[in-house]
Amino acid sequence: EAQVTQNPRYLITVTGKKLTVTCSQNMNHEYMSWYRQDPGLGLRQIYYSMNVEVTDKGDVPEGYKVSRKEKRNFPLILESPSPNQTSLYFCASSLRGHQQDHHYEQYFGPGTRLTVT
Amino acid sequence: GIQVEQSPPDLILQEGANSTLRCNFSDSVNNLQWFHQNPWGQLINLFYIPSGTKQNGRLSATTVATERYSLLYISSSQTTDSGVYFCAAGTGTASKLTFGTGTRLQVTL
Repeated sequence: EAQVTQNPRYLITVTGKKLTVTCSQNMNHEYMSWYRQDPGLGLRQIYYSMNVEVTDKGDVPEGYKVSRKEKRNFPLILESPSPNQTSLYFCASSLRGHQQDHHYEQYFGPGTRLTVT
Repeated sequence: GIQVEQSPPDLILQEGANSTLRCNFSDSVNNLQWFHQNPWGQLINLFYIPSGTKQNGRLSATTVATERYSLLYISSSQTTDSGVYFCAAGTGTASKLTFGTGTRLQVTL
């Protein structure tokens, strides 16, 4: 089954304890992205990746890191989580990221609900 | 960056009614998508529609790029249509999407 998976689905942690949220897709997609969803703010992009070893900042990158060493995986790293990073996080992927290919449909993972105390 | 506004913010319908959701965007786009977030939080891609009209069952969407808006039509609504509908727009060469704040739809029996 074609899908985007995220782990863990739920996480409660304490301020300053490094954590990683994994994201994996089995559709051979080039483009992957991380979003956070907060009440009243919709979804905001954290980081995105156009392909392996190519990443760039989205709208709210502060406090986050990413890497793209393999095409299928795009982990989100919080080096020193703070309470303002409590949120619902989504990973998404699409076949391509470039305009001329018109393969933009984005597919989302199930979400990771993170609470930082 | 591009601004995306959705209306109405909230909508309550009786089962069987039709509805129209609107998405306005502030700049020319080469990427416009509609998503449904169900009550369990899952985001489902409904349409990729930077221009023109598409239909999928009871749902259809129209984007008038020159006038910078898109419409999502839901006909004969069902309780399973409940949730939040997001419009997201992108411009430039990348797939970077900016999301609106959504329309929360509740369909009642």
